[in-house]
Amino acid sequence: SQQGEEDPQALSIQEGENATMNCSYKTSINNLQWYRQNSGRGLVHLILIRSNEREKHSGRLRVTLDTSKKSSSLLITASRAADTASYFCATYSTLGRLYFGRGTQLTVWP
Amino acid sequence: KAGVTQTPRYLIKTRGQQVTLSCSPISGHRSVSWYQQTPGQGLQFLFEYFSETQRNKGNFPGRFSGRQFSNSRSEMNVSTLELGDSALYLCASSLGGTGAGEQFFGPGTRLTVL
Repeated sequence: SQQGEEDPQALSIQEGENATMNCSYKTSINNLQWYRQNSGRGLVHLILIRSNEREKHSGRLRVTLDTSKKSSSLLITASRAADTASYFCATYSTLGRLYFGRGTQLTVWP
Repeated sequence: KAGVTQTPRYLIKTRGQQVTLSCSPISGHRSVSWYQQTPGQGLQFLFEYFSETQRNKGNFPGRFSGRQFSNSRSEMNVSTLELGDSALYLCASSLGGTGAGEQFFGPGTRLTVL
């Protein structure tokens, strides 16, 4: 399977702390994307990192990509209660489709 | 710009029935993809349509089908419903091209099969 796998499956932190989620995948990719999903709703695109990029920032988000290890990490700094959601990594493969992992459930306590 | 809309939002059907779900992409987007999300299997790709043609297909049985109209709106149909088809069905649109960019998701249709 080309699916990304997120780690950990669940993460619980206090407001103000940083949250780090990891994603591993199995095959060559064109890009890797991170999405957020609030309970039972549609997914929201957070950030896209191309296979030739190593790091990307967007606001409080920092994404790294290591193609040699086939892994990526998403860092959310200074977490807020509103960041509580499921976070998915998705790999875009040469087959022309997105493969989603199972997600990390992040809970941020006030 | 209006987002991706999906209708209906909730649907209850019984085994053996068929169902049609609708998705209206963001104006100007030519690619529409469909996903099934269940607690057990996660998010799984069903198919993608671009300019009225199926461009990609996932590993789902033939009971799952779709189509896209000239205005880029898309429908997916599931025939002979099974209990295991209960899921959140999400559609996503993108500008198209290689399809490698950001996808914009609708709120989903929650299908319950009794």
